[in-house]
Amino acid sequence: GENVEQHPSTLSVQEGDSAVIKCTYSDSASNYFPWYKQELGKRPQLIIDIRSNVGEKKDQRIAVTLNKTAKHFSLHITETQPEDSAVYFCAASVNNQGGKLIFGQGTELSVKP
Amino acid sequence: ETGVTQTPRHLVMGMTNKKSLKCEQHLGHNAMYWYKQSAKKPLELMFVYNFKEQTENNSVPSRFSPECPNSSHLFLHLHTLQPEDSALYLCASSQGNWETQYFGPGTRLLVL
Repeated sequence: GENVEQHPSTLSVQEGDSAVIKCTYSDSASNYFPWYKQELGKRPQLIIDIRSNVGEKKDQRIAVTLNKTAKHFSLHITETQPEDSAVYFCAASVNNQGGKLIFGQGTELSVKP
Repeated sequence: ETGVTQTPRHLVMGMTNKKSLKCEQHLGHNAMYWYKQSAKKPLELMFVYNFKEQTENNSVPSRFSPECPNSSHLFLHLHTLQPEDSALYLCASSQGNWETQYFGPGTRLLVL
């Protein structure tokens, strides 16, 4: 079945450093890849997404890259701040099943001041 | 945030109880979703509704029964649950397929 693998499961960085989270997916027809941030006790919130017609998208300190050939995509956070500490989830669409997203296992990011 | 609301926020129930979770979206979206979030596991999609029609049932046990009376409301009826069903149940909505999904705050369910 469809699968999304996310690494690492935990990531600790110093404030100001960069953080990179990587995901691979199995469905070659996937064309929508969102990233969600979930702070402790709160709901997941979309932080950035990318569609298969582009290879990179950037929004201030956050960027996502997509390699469709290799079936992997990555989240890059630059100049990390303590408020970036949260669990981050990647997801990939399953295109023969309308609206279905498969989520990765999550990465717990800790930014130390 | 008030775009997607869920009630109750916390629920404790015995295995023989019947309860319902409610979700309401105020965003004018056409698709609504139920997810289960357990500790140390990825978000698991349970059900998808598009224009009130169920388009996805992700092999969910029959003790979970969804209901979507209109595009703004989604229910999850629970009966004879098991302790392993304890989790955070999240509702989400989106304008259409593969559009941004907006999540509610979730219902933290504990089955004793």
